[in-house]
Amino acid sequence: DAGVIQSPRHEVTEMGQEVTLRCKPISGHDYLFWYRQTMMRGLELLIYFNNNVPIDDSGMPEDRFSAKMPNASFSTLKIQPSEPRDSAVYFCASSLFITGELFFGEGSRLTVL
Amino acid sequence: AQSVSQHNHHVILSEAASLELGCNYSYGGTVNLFWYVQYPGQHLQLLLKYFSGDPLVKGIKGFEAEFIKSKFSFNLRKPSVQWSDTAEYFCAVNAPSGGSYIPTFGRGTSLIVHP
Repeated sequence: DAGVIQSPRHEVTEMGQEVTLRCKPISGHDYLFWYRQTMMRGLELLIYFNNNVPIDDSGMPEDRFSAKMPNASFSTLKIQPSEPRDSAVYFCASSLFITGELFFGEGSRLTVL
Repeated sequence: AQSVSQHNHHVILSEAASLELGCNYSYGGTVNLFWYVQYPGQHLQLLLKYFSGDPLVKGIKGFEAEFIKSKFSFNLRKPSVQWSDTAEYFCAVNAPSGGSYIPTFGRGTSLIVHP
């Protein structure tokens, strides 16, 4: 079975550019999560969706960040404009139940110069 | 808001040594508890989980964890570590928060096992 698929795996961009990260969850999973991992702050939950609807976006750092889930098999996390402090690994994860195990993608390593 | 504390940020052991990684959480009600592992350059994957029942949970690769409700703890153990256990270990708690469930992770513990 295919796991959670994220793209791109690596992204290097310049400050001020728009960045779009993509995620395909495991088929049949109703919950999708976006996490950010940094050395300083560890794993932070940015937002999660249930049946394509955003449930909790309190972790989204500021208006420069936005996330969408137009259908059950696709989600995007967009940063516009990007800043060097956004450099991190962004993980997407999906789950059958809100209280269940999370299945993580390989992550997207973002570097903003 | 709930929080998860992992006491050891970096642990260095020799092969065959015993391992115990601490994890404490702040929520006082019913929780689901997890340990995830992240091998170098890879994504997080589940080691073990506790929902209910026997508080001593056995996971993959010889790992186990014990849920002690009175101490709000879920410590990870392994009697004899191997070089291949070198990885980052994350404790996670899933509990109600502000009307929804938020899976919250600890900061992680970096384990290095010397051959």
